[in-house]
Parts: sequence; C-alpha cells; structure tokens
Amino acid sequence: SQQGEEDPQALSIQEGENATMNCSYKTSINNLQWYRQNSGRGLVHLILIRSNEREKHSGRLRVTLDTSKKSSSLLITASRAADTASYFCATVPSNAGNMLTFGGGTRLMVKP
Amino acid sequence: DGGITQSPKYLFRKEGQNVTLSCEQNLNHDAMYWYRQDPGQGLRLIYYSQIVNDFQKGDIAEGYSVSREKKESFPLTVTSAQKNPTAFYLCASSMGTQVVRQFFGPGTRLTVL
Repeated sequence: SQQGEEDPQALSIQEGENATMNCSYKTSINNLQWYRQNSGRGLVHLILIRSNEREKHSGRLRVTLDTSKKSSSLLITASRAADTASYFCATVPSNAGNMLTFGGGTRLMVKP
Repeated sequence: DGGITQSPKYLFRKEGQNVTLSCEQNLNHDAMYWYRQDPGQGLRLIYYSQIVNDFQKGDIAEGYSVSREKKESFPLTVTSAQKNPTAFYLCASSMGTQVVRQFFGPGTRLTVL
C-alpha cells in the first residue's frame, strides 16, 4: 500500500523558477524523507524531516511538514536543468520502525 | 569505494524460469531491502532483512524469495509463480534497525520474454 501521495504527478518549469511538490500521507509517522530518482537509476536521499520538526533546509531545498494535515512539501529554489528527475516522498510510520512507504512520485522537468 | 551494487543491470527471462538478482553492499549496514518499481510508479516493498539469517515479507512478496546468509549480500529470486515480473528492481540498505535513510543500488531491469 502507498502511504504517501505526491501532487502534482508531473511538473514542467523553466530554469530559474521554483518548483514545489506536495506529499500527503495517511497514518502517524516517525519521519518523512524525500528522494530523487534520475531516469532508470537508483534513488538518492535528499532530506529527512522528523515528526517534531516543521521546516528543514538543505542548500536549495526546503521541506515543510504539517503533521496536523498529514502533509509535506518540497521546494526547490532557482531550479536547474540538472534538477530534472522524479521526486518521491517516503514515510516511516510510527508503528513500523524501519520500513519506508513510498508515494507515486512527482516527475519534474526543468527546461533550459 | 563504499556503496551498493546490483547485477546484472539488464536481465531477460523466459516465462516459467526462475531468475536471481544480486545485491551486495560494503557499507556494513544491518538492514537490506528489495523494492519493485513499475513504469511511472513509486516503489513497493518486496522483502526486507534486519539481520543475517532473518527476513520478512513486504507488501508484494508473492512469487519472490530471498536469503540473507551474509551481512553484505541479499539476493532476490523471482520465481515462475510471479505472474507479472517485468519491472525495475531496486535494492537498498540502511544502518541499524531504525530508518534514518536508505541507500539504493542502481537497479536491475527485468524483462520477461
């Protein structure tokens, strides 16, 4: 079963613009993570936000978490063509200590 | 150079044949995972192992089998009982039994002819 659902499923923007992706989930969580996947490759971990955190930054990435709404957002600022990839949120449910549940992903295309 | 390796990158199988996908890690991680990814979809958990000689079924274990005889190796066998095995298979590992982050291999694309 997929815990997280990303929105939008696909996003196309121009280089330099910001990209925002949203993730909703169903059950209480221990933490939420965002991963990136280039076409035909493995996933790369981007950032983790714990259930008691509301916002986290890493370089051009900004993640927010609203546990009352069971939602998270990933913002990529000043996007580059190299940011073109699929982005997945993954949750660690509170009662499943080491299991990640992935959403369906957002496919981002950044046009040069 | 630490990391996770998967082999082969591409694999073709005839219907009715079993096939084994390799996953090796030299990160000294305790936990290892196998996921299946269908086109345009997210990842679904097949099996995971938190310790040598122990593993648990994930959401879609039917038609698959695994072993964990060594800490660094977690091979996945796709059996003939798996009705629709064509997919992209990803192996991952994490430190300990509390997930902080998972490290992924490059994947194996399996095609059934």
